[in-house]
Amino acid sequence: DIVMTQSPDSLAVSLGERATINCKSSQSVLYSSNNKNYLAWYQHKPGQPLKLLINWASTRESGVPDRFSGSGSGTDFTLTISSLQAEDVAVYYCQQYYSAPCTFGQGTKLEIK
Amino acid sequence: EVQLVESGGGLVQPGGSLRLSCAASGFTFSDHYMDWVRQAPGKGLEWVGRTKNKANSYTTEYAASMEGRFTISRDDLKNSLYLQMNSLKTEDTAVYFCAREFLYCGGGTCYTRWYFDLWGRGTLVTVSS
Repeated sequence: DIVMTQSPDSLAVSLGERATINCKSSQSVLYSSNNKNYLAWYQHKPGQPLKLLINWASTRESGVPDRFSGSGSGTDFTLTISSLQAEDVAVYYCQQYYSAPCTFGQGTKLEIK
Repeated sequence: EVQLVESGGGLVQPGGSLRLSCAASGFTFSDHYMDWVRQAPGKGLEWVGRTKNKANSYTTEYAASMEGRFTISRDDLKNSLYLQMNSLKTEDTAVYFCAREFLYCGGGTCYTRWYFDLWGRGTLVTVSS
């Protein structure tokens, strides 16, 4: 199984500042035939359903604010929130869907400093 | 409203059984592959298993640690997904989520990708004596 490792486990950022969450896979999730990274990011607020933010490592879902962006390729990926808002407090997960079984990172808890 | 609502969680003794349900609404349930994902207390997300759609013979797949104990089924007429859990262990204690796999249809062709564009809020299963 591909192991997904996120860093840091928790993060406190001031409102309006940048938040950066990293995700590393134990093997590449880049599919060479289509040059796509099989990597998604989710946001999970307490008591709410998880929300898909980004797929293919960098494609924002419809309705996701443009302060959220995804980057990276191969084994190293980043979720960036350019200007943290209060409503962004949540746990964030990365997930690979390159190979079976799909696997998730352990999560990064984002809080306001 | 497009949503998934899980039910059926509760307290069960080790070795016992439990059946979870997931009611889907607001979309064509029968088209989609559907999955169960769980989260143990203080832990990350763990994929449990999936069921494909009718066009793919309702094929099911499971995480290795759950193979043989858990069974996923669906009823497309009732827009419902199920997870039958047998021989439960204390380490099965978790919140269980149902999730919809992404599906794209266009030009007469559909394809699915193994990421999840719709989740339920989850149902808590506690395995304890």
